[in-house]
Amino acid sequence: EVQLVQSGAEVKKPGESLKISCKGSGYSFIDYWIGWVRQMPGKGLEWMGIIYPGDSDTKYSPSFQGQVTMSVDRSISTAYLQWYSLEASDTAMYYCARRFRRYYFDYWGQGTLVTVSS
Amino acid sequence: DIQMTQSPSSVSASVGDRVTITCRASQGITAWLAWYQQKPGKAPKLLIYDTSNLQSGVPSRFSGSGSATDFTLTISSLQPEDFATYYCQEANTFPSFTFGPGTKVDIK
Repeated sequence: EVQLVQSGAEVKKPGESLKISCKGSGYSFIDYWIGWVRQMPGKGLEWMGIIYPGDSDTKYSPSFQGQVTMSVDRSISTAYLQWYSLEASDTAMYYCARRFRRYYFDYWGQGTLVTVSS
Repeated sequence: DIQMTQSPSSVSASVGDRVTITCRASQGITAWLAWYQQKPGKAPKLLIYDTSNLQSGVPSRFSGSGSATDFTLTISSLQPEDFATYYCQEANTFPSFTFGPGTKVDIK
């Protein structure tokens, strides 16, 4: 069974750094792109970017380029989303998801809620 | 960037009703469009991809159609488990793919 399991909720202060994770299982992790999607409170979905675990090739949406960093650790089948200096506007639910066909997502993690507040 | 709009933003319907949701792209996206269902507190679920292809395991009461800039998701006979928010997503403009703002389907 394909599963993406994300790390738990985080509460951080503005200016702090954060790295959340997404562990894949039940399939060949290195063969499928992993994407990240943001959902701000009460709002819709935003496509952040995507990373290929096979060679760490990463493509960011222009809206998120320079704001976050995506990475993977192939040895533990885990993808990461990282911030170096959080802002209150980063408060959101973040989902990882596996790429399907064109650039759709067929399997999703359960989401990681990030709250940034002073 | 491509802008995606959906209409209506919300719809109230009864079990058994036929429900149609429209998604419009600001420029042509050929057939690179998907539909997702999201229930409160849950991750989205892929329903339809490439405009009209039903994802494995999705009930056949869901169908999609359209091309270029205008697309529709139809639920032929609404079931209790279908009350949710539905999003379209274009997959034409790498790497800046855009979701629509969502359509909430609730109980009349």
